[in-house]
Amino acid sequence: TQLLEQSPQFLSIQEGENLTVYCNSSSVFSSLQWYRQEPGEGPVLLVTVVTGGEVKKLKRLTFQFGDARKDSSLHITAAQPGDTGLYLCAGAGSNDYKLSFGAGTTVTVRA
Amino acid sequence: NAGVTQTPKFQVLKTGQSMTLQCAQDMNHEYMSWYRQDPGMGLRLIHYSVGAGITDQGEVPNGYNVSRSTTEDFPLRLLSAAPSQTSVYFCASSHRTGPLEQYFGPGTRLTVT
Repeated sequence: TQLLEQSPQFLSIQEGENLTVYCNSSSVFSSLQWYRQEPGEGPVLLVTVVTGGEVKKLKRLTFQFGDARKDSSLHITAAQPGDTGLYLCAGAGSNDYKLSFGAGTTVTVRA
Repeated sequence: NAGVTQTPKFQVLKTGQSMTLQCAQDMNHEYMSWYRQDPGMGLRLIHYSVGAGITDQGEVPNGYNVSRSTTEDFPLRLLSAAPSQTSVYFCASSHRTGPLEQYFGPGTRLTVT
């Protein structure tokens, strides 16, 4: 099992502030995904990164894949209450069909 | 398209009872999987399938069985429910090639007393 560690576990910020969530591992991944989950629902895919050093932007969300493909970060600029949710990272190895998930970061954006 | 559907939404079982959680997808995805989600532990893979007639174990397979007789359906069977199986169960599907970008169902909340 390839372990993914997410930090912090909880994050509570005021509307308009910025935040960063980290996803780290000692293993190399062929790709890494970020999902957001709202209470009572299944996770929804936000982005997939596949190239070391890759940066992807989704409106106010910026995702980065580490050069060595062992870590990733999610940065939210000017957070809004609608960004509240559980953010999960997930990594896939190159030779198996098992996706490993981090434990998640619960983000709360206060109005 | 309905995407990934799961039934039931909620279930309460007594220890030792058996049941089947249903999962279906209409996206013609070859890959289907079952996860359980427990507080502070993220999603853990129970079983997965890369196509009809093919299944394999994930990280936490004990106490669960699966079968894949069609592309669309991937039921999860609890053989003899235990309190440790109290959890939220998610079914997901994706194409079997590429980065396994998962489409998740809405989940089944299972309580075993």
